Amino acid sequence: KAGVTQTPRYLIKTRGQQVTLSCSPISGHRSVSWYQQTPGQGLQFLFEYFSETQRNKGNFPGRFSGRQFSNSRSEMNVSTLELGDSALYLCASRSGGAEDTQYFGPGTRLTVL
Amino acid sequence: GENVEQHPSTLSVQEGDSAVIKCTYSDSASNYFPWYKQELGKGPQLIIDIRSNVGEKKDQRIAVTLNKTAKHFSLHITETQPEDSAVYFCAASRGDDKIIFGKGTRLHILP
Repeated sequence: KAGVTQTPRYLIKTRGQQVTLSCSPISGHRSVSWYQQTPGQGLQFLFEYFSETQRNKGNFPGRFSGRQFSNSRSEMNVSTLELGDSALYLCASRSGGAEDTQYFGPGTRLTVL
Repeated sequence: GENVEQHPSTLSVQEGDSAVIKCTYSDSASNYFPWYKQELGKGPQLIIDIRSNVGEKKDQRIAVTLNKTAKHFSLHITETQPEDSAVYFCAASRGDDKIIFGKGTRLHILP
């Protein structure tokens, strides 16, 4: 099975712009979670989508949003970018069920100038 | 809210020695405890996990122990090798709830 894929891998934006990141989960996985990773704050949970519905949400402002499509692919959008949004954005695919397990993608490195 | 504390933040061990990383969690309903290893430039990789119906799990040089009463769990790496150098994250969750991560431990294996 192919792993979790994320595109693009690297992105440079300027303050005030908006950005959309994409994630394709492992085939058969219906849950996709998004995390922000920074050196100071570690892995912070943004939100989780399951069957096109947001199931869990972290403590991020409304500028951060996401959605999931019927094929389980997910996108994350950040509007009005701030310098502090520079981070590695990780997508994770979750198997669900009795042996629920989460696998991460390689991440998208976002730099805001 | 839910919280996972991880210690130490940095750990240096001599090659061949053992390394132990400890985590505590606050939500007594947590029942799933995965450990991830993250190498530079890569996403976290699941290395081992344990569910609350067992107290210990082993996979070659890696083992995890769980003490539900004390709400803590630990990662043990024996016979450490240079390729074990990485950042390790513990995590906890219950059911379909979000998975909460510790802050990470940077492990250095000294030659």
